[in-house]
Amino acid sequence: SAVISQKPSRDICQRGTSLTIQCQVDSQVTMMFWYRQQPGQSLTLIATANQGSEATYESGFVIDKFPISRPNLTFSTLTVSNMSPEDSSIYLCSVEEIVAGPGETQYFGPGTRLLVL
Amino acid sequence: AQTVTQSQPEMSVQEAETVTLSCTYDTSENNYYLFWYKQPPSRQMILVIRQEAYKQQNATENRFSVNFQKAAKSFSLKISDSQLGDTAMYFCAFRGWGYGGSQGNLIFGKGTKLSVKP
Repeated sequence: SAVISQKPSRDICQRGTSLTIQCQVDSQVTMMFWYRQQPGQSLTLIATANQGSEATYESGFVIDKFPISRPNLTFSTLTVSNMSPEDSSIYLCSVEEIVAGPGETQYFGPGTRLLVL
Repeated sequence: AQTVTQSQPEMSVQEAETVTLSCTYDTSENNYYLFWYKQPPSRQMILVIRQEAYKQQNATENRFSVNFQKAAKSFSLKISDSQLGDTAMYFCAFRGWGYGGSQGNLIFGKGTKLSVKP
């Protein structure tokens, strides 16, 4: 499976500022996703990062708050804009490869733990 | 819309014993995928096992096996010979068939916190 890295691994930010999280994969992948995991909760999909086009956002998430870029098949960024304490969460990147044999499986990066003061 | 339900918020098991985590789901689709992921305190989400709905045979991965009951829409995870390193949150997840739209999205249950005691 692909090796996925995220930067930063954690950060503490002041309210009103923005943070950009990077997701790097060691191979070309078809699908990339961004999730939010609030403290003690399950994962919620923010958006699907589409290469070369605008991301597809889930209900409750908007581009102005969570702009996403995906300039190529191995890299994506998620920005958390105008942060408030409610944005304190773990943000996870995941990828899905279309391969010969078992596909349709998402693999996750190590996550970015964000605390907003 | 599909939903995934994990009815056991927390469970504990003695080391070397067997434990079963429950998961039920709701879908009108005939083909789909089901997954169990493990999230230890390090927070890394790790794939434990996957099951294709069209396969009648239950998936197994070493000490991990599933009991997939398609008609009952049940997908439980059995961990045999539990080890201290199995302590983690376990999430059940559903994925639709194919690509495009929301079919590729993973829908997660709320998770079961498993503690393995020495």
